[in-house]
Amino acid sequence: NAGVTQTPKFQVLKTGQSMTLQCAQDMNHNSMYWYRQDPGMGLRLIYYSASEGTTDKGEVPNGYNVSRLNKREFSLRLESAAPSQTSVYFCASSGGRGDGYTFGSGTRLTVV
Amino acid sequence: SQQGEEDPQALSIQEGENATMNCSYKTSINNLQWYRQNSGRGLVHLILIRSNEREKHSGRLRVTLDTSKKSSSLLITASRAADTASYFCATDQKAAGNKLTFGGGTRVLVKP
Repeated sequence: NAGVTQTPKFQVLKTGQSMTLQCAQDMNHNSMYWYRQDPGMGLRLIYYSASEGTTDKGEVPNGYNVSRLNKREFSLRLESAAPSQTSVYFCASSGGRGDGYTFGSGTRLTVV
Repeated sequence: SQQGEEDPQALSIQEGENATMNCSYKTSINNLQWYRQNSGRGLVHLILIRSNEREKHSGRLRVTLDTSKKSSSLLITASRAADTASYFCATDQKAAGNKLTFGGGTRVLVKP
């Protein structure tokens, strides 16, 4: 099983550019999440989707949008990238409340 | 501030020794989870302990939970060089939606 697949693995953007981070899971999980991790820090939740058709804001949603395209896919969009969005982005999925999360390998984004 | 706070922030031990790290949190939880992150990789789920459980074991891992003190500990026995990683606690808060809040992590270095 591939688990959670994120693309791309690395990306450099100029300030003001837009991009979409892709995430797909093949475990038939209901819930999917986007986190960012900054150096020496834990993970902060950007957006999550408890089930197909729903999305909710997390701790740091400003500057981001999400789409739960179907049960498998949950994308994160940066409309106008800023240097403060330089980070490592992780997508995760879970079967539901009370289950552990499965994480992707991350996207390392640099905004210059 | 974050829901989960790990202590210590960093830990250096010799191979074969035990490693103990602690996590404190602020609000009532449904469960608490521990994750490992190797350098440059995604997080891997280690163990989940529910609010009505006090202790749980998985291989060389032992987790305790004290809901009266709002704290948890992770013990790794007979550590190996391969245990070198960052360890994060994450809480499923009762008042929050279907999402985990992560602490800042403990960096563990196991010297051969």
